[in-house]
Amino acid sequence: DQQVKQNSPSLSVQEGRISILNCDYTNSMFDYFLWYKKYPAEGPTFLISISSIKDKNEDGRFTVFLNKSAKHLSLHIVPSQPGDSAVYFCAASAQAGTALIFGKGTTLSVSS
Amino acid sequence: EAGVTQFPSHSVIEKGQTVTLRCDPISGHDNLYWYRRVMGKEIKFLLHFVKESKQDESGMPNNRFLAERTGGTYSTLKVQPAELEDSGVYFCASSQVLHAYEQYFGPGTRLTVT
Repeated sequence: DQQVKQNSPSLSVQEGRISILNCDYTNSMFDYFLWYKKYPAEGPTFLISISSIKDKNEDGRFTVFLNKSAKHLSLHIVPSQPGDSAVYFCAASAQAGTALIFGKGTTLSVSS
Repeated sequence: EAGVTQFPSHSVIEKGQTVTLRCDPISGHDNLYWYRRVMGKEIKFLLHFVKESKQDESGMPNNRFLAERTGGTYSTLKVQPAELEDSGVYFCASSQVLHAYEQYFGPGTRLTVT
């Protein structure tokens, strides 16, 4: 049973617009959430994270929102750029240093 | 600062053969993890070392997989004998004891078993 779900396999957005990637989780013990970006033939690259004690974390064009009651988080990219085209993975952890549980990923395509 | 490195980048072996994958974590990172992604599915945890000790190996699929981290530096993951379903991309990641949530991944080793 998947504990971290990314229900949209793909998303297409025009350059300059907002990209919103969604992630749902089922395990209420998760206390830290991360987003990774992955280009073909490369490993996942850490993008941004959020602790369960916060509801928002912002880093430049990237903002992650966490709704604990809904067990939902989202990644907003504003403005989207063609270089943002990649697979985005949502991941969660129940304790620092332990295994990350990943979703299946969402492929983002940003067209110019 | 050098990132996580993995060798080889790609390995093609026949069913029944043995393969050994190597991971060099970021210098100073005591936590080292192995993950696997099979056929476009989610990335799944295999095991976790803290220095040279296995902290969690709950994700290891079976006893054909053996991981070691001698001296607490680099790690190896051996598959013996390899089966067709072992094909996939094997990622290594590392993290500091502080900021342990943030794991940094290597480029992966693509294993193809024919």
